[in-house]
Amino acid sequence: GAVVSQHPSWVICKSGTSVKIECRSLDFQATTMFWYRQFPKQSLMLMATSNEGSKATYEQGVEKDKFLINHASLTLSTLTVTSAHPEDSSFYICSARDQRTGGKRDTQYFGPGTRLTVL
Amino acid sequence: AQKITQTQPGMFVQEKEAVTLDCTYDTSDPSYGLFWYKQPSSGEMIFLIYQGSYDQQNATEGRYSLNFQKARKSANLVISASQLGDSAMYFCAMREGEGGYNKLIFGAGTRLAVHP
Repeated sequence: GAVVSQHPSWVICKSGTSVKIECRSLDFQATTMFWYRQFPKQSLMLMATSNEGSKATYEQGVEKDKFLINHASLTLSTLTVTSAHPEDSSFYICSARDQRTGGKRDTQYFGPGTRLTVL
Repeated sequence: AQKITQTQPGMFVQEKEAVTLDCTYDTSDPSYGLFWYKQPSSGEMIFLIYQGSYDQQNATEGRYSLNFQKARKSANLVISASQLGDSAMYFCAMREGEGGYNKLIFGAGTRLAVHP
C-alpha cells in the first residue's frame, strides 16, 4: 500500500503554545488529505478535509482558527494547533487519498499518527 | 442515526481459528464504498480491504474477506486462520458517493484479542 508519514510522532508542549504537525505522502501525490482526531478508546473523528491549493473544509464544530490547515503541495499537508490547551491533547492522524487506483476504489492511507500532550 | 454500527466492542478468538467482525451501515446513496482498517496498539491505521456497492463479488485480500450482504446492509470482516499479530482494534468505515473526495465515516471499532 501507499506510504504516508507524519511528523512528529509525539509532542509535549506548554499551554498557550502552537504546534505544527506534518503529513506527507511519500510515494504518491495526494490532492486531498484528511485530518482526524482520536480520543483514547474511541473512534476516529474527521476534523477537516485538506485540498491542495485551496482552503480546507472543516467539519461542524471544529474551529478553523484554532486548527489551521495548509496543503501547500501535492505531498504535504500541515495541521497547526494554535494556542494549545490541555483539552487539545489527543491523537491526531492524517490520511491521504491515493487517486492512482481511480474512481470508486480511491483509498485513504493513514499516517502513523501524532500524540499531542498539552501541559 | 448511526451510519456505521459495530456491535461488538470486543472479541476473542483462538489462534488459527476464523473470526467474523460485524459491521452494518446505513445510507440512501446507491454508490458507496466500505472499508476495513486495523489499528494495532502503535496507533497506525492499516488498510485491509475494500468493497464497492456495485461489486458483484465479495472482496478478498489474503486471509481477509468481506461478507457483503447488500440487502441487509452488512459488511462483515472475516479473518481466517487468526494469528497472534491480528490482535488489534478493527474499524469499519463507509464512504458515500463517488471517488475519494467524500469523507470516511468510521464505526466505533471492535477490539480483537487472539489467544494462543
